[in-house]
Amino acid sequence: DADVTQTPRNRITKTGKRIMLECSQTKGHDRMYWYRQDPGLGLRLIYYSFDVKDINKGEISDGYSVSRQAQAKFSLSLESAIPNQTALYFCATSDTLAGGQYFGPGTRLLVL
Amino acid sequence: AQSVTQLGSHVSVSEGALVLLRCNYSSSVPPYLFWYVQYPNQGLQLLLKYTSAATLVKGINGFEAEFKKSETSFHLTKPSAHMSDAAEYFCAVTKGRGANNLFFGTGTRLTVIP
Repeated sequence: DADVTQTPRNRITKTGKRIMLECSQTKGHDRMYWYRQDPGLGLRLIYYSFDVKDINKGEISDGYSVSRQAQAKFSLSLESAIPNQTALYFCATSDTLAGGQYFGPGTRLLVL
Repeated sequence: AQSVTQLGSHVSVSEGALVLLRCNYSSSVPPYLFWYVQYPNQGLQLLLKYTSAATLVKGINGFEAEFKKSETSFHLTKPSAHMSDAAEYFCAVTKGRGANNLFFGTGTRLTVIP
């Protein structure tokens, strides 16, 4: 079984809809991250969390919110989706920063 | 501010040729440096990392990278390209060693020509 799983893997939604992307990990890591990937822009950090009570904004948090329900679960919400949020979204985990981050398979989101 | 620059968004090499993917960083403090690979329709996989031990770092699949502080570079190399190396490669850097997260370059897509 994969160490970092994301659901759904693909999602099409309409402008204005609320959508939640979920991430679960079995690596036992405290740190979890949400990124979005756009062609030519690399990965940009949306939010990160170092434990259940610690949530931090990343580079591009506007229009997004997160919830850390447990050490193993970190959800990303788009309260009112807009077309420029169409992207590939990745969840990642890490034990320490020097250890590197472990990525899920991604969720491809299309907002019409 | 820290940043990562990957020179060349697309690189093509012949099978068996040297692979060289360039990464330069800017950081006012000693960083950690990483290379990740992304195969089509997959997440990112850690190739190798520099965390202040040896400056020449060996990773998976025959890749290696050398940290050169004087050049602020961390270029990725492989002596002989294989068809299975075709993928997108990302360089990433931390802002110092107590930093909270990684900053990624924009990626280099490697094509291997038979």
